[in-house]
Amino acid sequence: DAGVTQSPTHLIKTRGQQVTLRCSPKSGHDTVSWYQQALGQGPQFIFQYYEEEERQRGNFPDRFSGHQFPNYSSELNVNALLLGDSALYLCASSFDRGQSNQPQHFGDGTRLSIL
Amino acid sequence: GEDVEQSLFLSVREGDSSVINCTYTDSSSTYLYWYKQEPGAGLQLLTYIFSNMDMKQDQRLTVLLNKKDKHLSLRIADTQTGDSAIYFCAEKGNNDMRFGAGTRLTVKP
Repeated sequence: DAGVTQSPTHLIKTRGQQVTLRCSPKSGHDTVSWYQQALGQGPQFIFQYYEEEERQRGNFPDRFSGHQFPNYSSELNVNALLLGDSALYLCASSFDRGQSNQPQHFGDGTRLSIL
Repeated sequence: GEDVEQSLFLSVREGDSSVINCTYTDSSSTYLYWYKQEPGAGLQLLTYIFSNMDMKQDQRLTVLLNKKDKHLSLRIADTQTGDSAIYFCAEKGNNDMRFGAGTRLTVKP
């Protein structure tokens, strides 16, 4: 039973570029959340997708956008990259059935470095 | 800054018990969680407790919840070198999870 998988594992970009990160949820899960973890800090919530729609958004600018596909996989897009976007981006999935009570399971993340 | 607070470092000897403490702010949180993060990896769910419970035990792990003081703790019995990692406390909001900055546990042989 595959857990949450993310790709790529590492990525190097330069300021101003755009990036797309991908996530496949754990089998049987229908909800995907994205988090940003800066070095030495806890994860910060970016947004959550359920039924292909953004259900809740954290305090991140519009440069951060996402998508969820019919097979529940998800993408995180970041435009106009800044040095401060360098972080570990974590995807988490859960089986919510609309009730948001289930624990979230995390992937190993994508390490994004901005030069 | 984080709404959930944890001490940053804890060092113990192998075989001793470890206690990691956390305070949270949202009294309406229905679930509280402990995650473990090893170097270069994502977060591994260790255990979670429903807010109407005050204790949960799972093998070497014991979670204590003091809802009045909004205090959560994780006790690891017979701590091993493989337990060395960063431990995160988290509370569940509507759909998001709010994390502390993490406690780095070092286990000395």
